[in-house]
Amino acid sequence: GAGVSQTPSNKVTEKGKYVELRCDPISGHTALYWYRQSLGQGPEFLIYFQGTGAADDSGLPNDRFFAVRPEGSVSTLKIQRTERGDSAVYLCASSLTGTGVYEQYFGPGTRLTVT
Amino acid sequence: RKEVEQDPGPFNVPEGATVAFNCTYSNSASQSFFWYRQDCRKEPKLLMSVYSSGNEDGRFTAQLNRASQYISLLIRDSKLSDSATYLCVVTRGYNQGGKLIFGQGTELSVKP
Repeated sequence: GAGVSQTPSNKVTEKGKYVELRCDPISGHTALYWYRQSLGQGPEFLIYFQGTGAADDSGLPNDRFFAVRPEGSVSTLKIQRTERGDSAVYLCASSLTGTGVYEQYFGPGTRLTVT
Repeated sequence: RKEVEQDPGPFNVPEGATVAFNCTYSNSASQSFFWYRQDCRKEPKLLMSVYSSGNEDGRFTAQLNRASQYISLLIRDSKLSDSATYLCVVTRGYNQGGKLIFGQGTELSVKP
């Protein structure tokens, strides 16, 4: 079956611009996660959705970052007033549910470069 | 100090070698433990879960020591295809939404 998909695969933007990154999880997965991976580091948790609601957004670095999942499927990560430090690979993952421990399946990521 | 710490590597080993990776975690409330594999410019993929009793999957053996808060991964008879970054991962608990906490990863390069 189809895995997690993310678009775009690459995004180059200028400092100060607004960007949206999209994640399409595996069908039927109710839990969706966003992570950010900087060069040479492991992924860092940003936000977790169970259904439509953000169950844990403790990893969002500041109020320039926001994510939505209005229908409990596709999610969009939104970054306002981008900064060069936002450059990273943004990974999305989904799992059957967020309760208990289920394998998370990752998408290929969106490589964001802020110039 | 990071919550999950790993040997930074890189580890450069010949084919057929045995290589061991170590990982420590600082939060004693950590509940579940995993090793993920990440190929260059690809997404992480689950390699194996780690249990207190230890578990083996072919050439891979994972061990967990809760008292020492230490996790290990042993790869026997290394193959060229094992070259990747290995990420040590923990979760904080069944009711924590399953968010994964990653170490920085250890790079393995297996040479002919």
